[in-house]
Amino acid sequence: AQSVTQLGSHVSVSEGALVLLRCNYSSSVPPYLFWYVQYPNQGLQLLLKYTTGATLVKGINGFEAEFKKSETSFHLTKPSAHMSDAAEYFCAVSGPGSSNTGKLIFGQGTTLQVKP
Amino acid sequence: DTEVTQTPKHLVMGMTNKKSLKCEQHMGHRAMYWYKQKAKKPPELMFVYSYEKLSINESVPSRFSPECPNSSLLNLHLHALQPEDSALYLCASSQGLRAYEQYFGPGTRLTVT
Repeated sequence: AQSVTQLGSHVSVSEGALVLLRCNYSSSVPPYLFWYVQYPNQGLQLLLKYTTGATLVKGINGFEAEFKKSETSFHLTKPSAHMSDAAEYFCAVSGPGSSNTGKLIFGQGTTLQVKP
Repeated sequence: DTEVTQTPKHLVMGMTNKKSLKCEQHMGHRAMYWYKQKAKKPPELMFVYSYEKLSINESVPSRFSPECPNSSLLNLHLHALQPEDSALYLCASSQGLRAYEQYFGPGTRLTVT
């Protein structure tokens, strides 16, 4: 069965500092991977996705993530944090393990705090 | 346009009430989803519709009844809910089931009194 682990339920960075949110997955075959962001009292917004092809994926708002099969990881990074990046971030996986169900397996989420 | 809309934004209902949540998308997506999200938790899948047919029911209690009248609309009918059903209910849609990203609506904040 597929699973997702997000290391660190709470990450705090200073404005302008590097953002690194960690995501590891468990899957017997390469999955499809997604990062979503959720601002307070809002729905989830897709930041970026990996399905096939280039392993370094660029998303919206300056975020990017790298798929590393050998490490079963899909960490999210941003070179310079903005105050507006403060939100809840979810890593999710779907794909061959969930066949054609469309089911997303979410990690538990990481709260990003940005300090001025 | 990648917008999924949900109404109402907020809903307060008693345990004996019947109410409905509505979701709409005009992206031509053929898969639609209902999720339940509790505070500080990830969304939990409830139902999946593909081509207007129910394809997944994640063992959701019968007091939640989904309906997909057409390819753009998804409803969730609520009846005899419990206080523990209070949560944010999210609708999502995707082009298809496999490998496609899901687009989420803003959610309906439901409070059961």
